[in-house]
This record gives sequence, C-alpha cells and structure tokens, in this order.
Amino acid sequence: DAMVIQNPRYQVTQFGKPVTLSCSQTLNHNVMYWYQQKSSQAPKLLFHYYDKDFNNEADTPDNFQSRRPNTSFCFLDIRSPGLGDAAMYLCATSRSSGSWYEQYFGPGTRLTVT
Amino acid sequence: SQQGEEDPQALSIQEGENATMNCSYKTSINNLQWYRQNSGRGLVHLILIRSNEREKHSGRLRVTLDTSKKSSSLLITASRAADTASYFCATDARGAAGNKLTFGGGTRVLVKP
Repeated sequence: DAMVIQNPRYQVTQFGKPVTLSCSQTLNHNVMYWYQQKSSQAPKLLFHYYDKDFNNEADTPDNFQSRRPNTSFCFLDIRSPGLGDAAMYLCATSRSSGSWYEQYFGPGTRLTVT
Repeated sequence: SQQGEEDPQALSIQEGENATMNCSYKTSINNLQWYRQNSGRGLVHLILIRSNEREKHSGRLRVTLDTSKKSSSLLITASRAADTASYFCATDARGAAGNKLTFGGGTRVLVKP
C-alpha cells in the first residue's frame, strides 16, 4: 500500500546532541511537510518542500533544518535539541494540483530529550 | 494565533449517541478539512469541504460550512468506541503561499461503550 513512513517511531536523544528524523513516501507526492505537535496541541507546521523548493515558516527556530535529497525522502535535523523540543514530529505529503488536496500523514516520531 | 479554534475541547458520549464539534476560523479560505488522530498516531484525513459548499456527507460524518460566520461543524452519527480520537479542523487560507494547512486546537472525543 502506498504510504508515508517515519523512522524511528521513538527517538531518545540527549540535550544538545544532534538528531535526525526520517520520512519516506511511496505516494510520489511532490509536497512534503514537517509538523511539530506537543501534547494536546495542534500540529504546528515547521517547513515544507514544494518539489525541491524549501519553504520555512517564519517562527521555526534555526535549530531545525531539513533536507530532501529526492522525491521520496525528507529528513528533519535538530542541531542542538533542547528540552522544549520534546514532541511528536509528523511528516505529511500532498499533491499540489489545484487547491483541493488532502495531506497524508505518517505515524509520527516521538522525540524525548534527556 | 491559530487560524482554527475548536469547541468543545473535550467531549464524552455513550456509544450510539451523536457527537458534534465546531470550528471557527479567521480569514477567507479555499477549503476546510477535518482530520482524526488516534492517540499517539498520525492524522487521518476525513473530509474536505470547499468554500462554495455548505454541507457534505461521508458515511456517518456530516460537515457543514458557513463562510459568513467563518465556522464549520463536524457531526458523527451513531458513534462507536472506535471513534474515540482527537478531531482537528484545518484551513487552507485563500491567498496563502504554498499548500499549507493551519490546524485548530482539536476536540478530544471519548466514546464510552
């Protein structure tokens, strides 16, 4: 089945130790998104790729970076995780045809910072 | 601030009852979408309603949209225990750059067997 896959599902990292979360998709969608979701809150968009074009949200901290080496894969790099970065990180994809689209989400990676 | 605000924040009902939740938003939209999130999982798209539509049905789901009031409602009829989840509305703001959605705070629904 076509899907969005996130690895790992659970990630524990130490304060200040760089960490990379990965996302892959078999849907061949040209748009990929990264969201941060803290407990009982709405998903918050960090950035998205429209094909190779990177679009950063204005309030996304510089500590968060992303790479998209090809259509199928996208990575979220947190350069120096702080305790406040503990959250669920959700990857999503969508087509970009017209304005009528839905987003397909992966299961998420829960990040713990110790 | 969030584009979408939802109420109630939490809802507890018995199996078989209907569940209604509301979403308000602030700016003009192209469409409004509803998503479900089971605990600790990703979001699943439920239904999309366009700005020129007033009502839409999908199985046991009924969504309404009132663009004059900038509000939408999601009704789940004959609820089941498996409907226990958080429900989020999301708006695709008209004129926004790129294909971005802004999510509301969500309604946590508990369906008791």
